Amino acid sequence: EVQLVESGGGLVQPGRSLRLSCAASGFTFDDYAMHWVRQAPGKGLEWVSGISWNSGSIGYADSVKGRFTISRDNAKNSLYLQMNSLRTEDMALYYCAKASGSWYLGGDWYFDLWGRGALLTVSS
Amino acid sequence: QSVLTQPPSASGTPGQRVTISCSGSSSNIGSNYVYWYQQLPGTAPKLLIYRSNQRPSGVPDRFSGSISGTSSSLAISGLRSEDEADYYCAAWDDSLSGPVFGGGTKLTVL
Repeated sequence: EVQLVESGGGLVQPGRSLRLSCAASGFTFDDYAMHWVRQAPGKGLEWVSGISWNSGSIGYADSVKGRFTISRDNAKNSLYLQMNSLRTEDMALYYCAKASGSWYLGGDWYFDLWGRGALLTVSS
Repeated sequence: QSVLTQPPSASGTPGQRVTISCSGSSSNIGSNYVYWYQQLPGTAPKLLIYRSNQRPSGVPDRFSGSISGTSSSLAISGLRSEDEADYYCAAWDDSLSGPVFGGGTKLTVL
C-alpha cells in the first residue's frame, strides 16, 4: 500500500527542539521530492519545507528558515524535519507530503500523497 | 493572511452546482498552475485538481477547475452530501520560491 506515516510529534516547551520523521512505503521513495506542510488548529494549510530526490535542492518557508532543517535518508525511505527554537506559533499538525516529481520546485512540486500528520504542541 | 484569497464559506443543496474562487497575483496564479485539495473532516488533504484543470484518476468528473489571469475556480456539479469538506487552492509563488495556499473554503451541503 502506498502510504506515508509521520511520527515524533508531542508536547515541547518553547525554545526546545523536536525531530519529526516520515516513513514512506509502496513507492520508489528516491524518485520523488518530499515536503512538510503544517496546519495549525482550526486553520489553513501552510507549506513548511521541501527537498528534492537527492537532497540537492532544499527550500523553506520564511517562517521557519534558520530554525528548521529538512533531510531525507533514501536508504531508509524516510523524511525528517528537525525543529529547533520552537515557538507557540509552530504548534500544528505536520503533514508529510510526496511531490509529483523529483524536484521540490518546478512544474512537479505539487503534493499528490499525504500522510495523516504528526501533532506538535508547544506550550510551557 | 494567506497569499491566495478564497471565500471562507460556500453552500449549496444536493444536485446544485457551486463554484469556489481563488484569487492571486502575477507571481503565483498569473504565471503558474493552480492545484485544488479537498480535506474531509478529520482527514488529510487529497489532491482534487492538478495543473489547473486536470483530475487525478478516481476523482469524479463532477469536479472541474479553471483559470483566468490571476484567478482560478473550482466547480462542483451535482452536489452530494459527501462533498461537504474544506477546499484549498495552491500555486507556486515565484517571489517566495515556494508553494502558497488559499485560506480554505468550507463547503456546506444544505
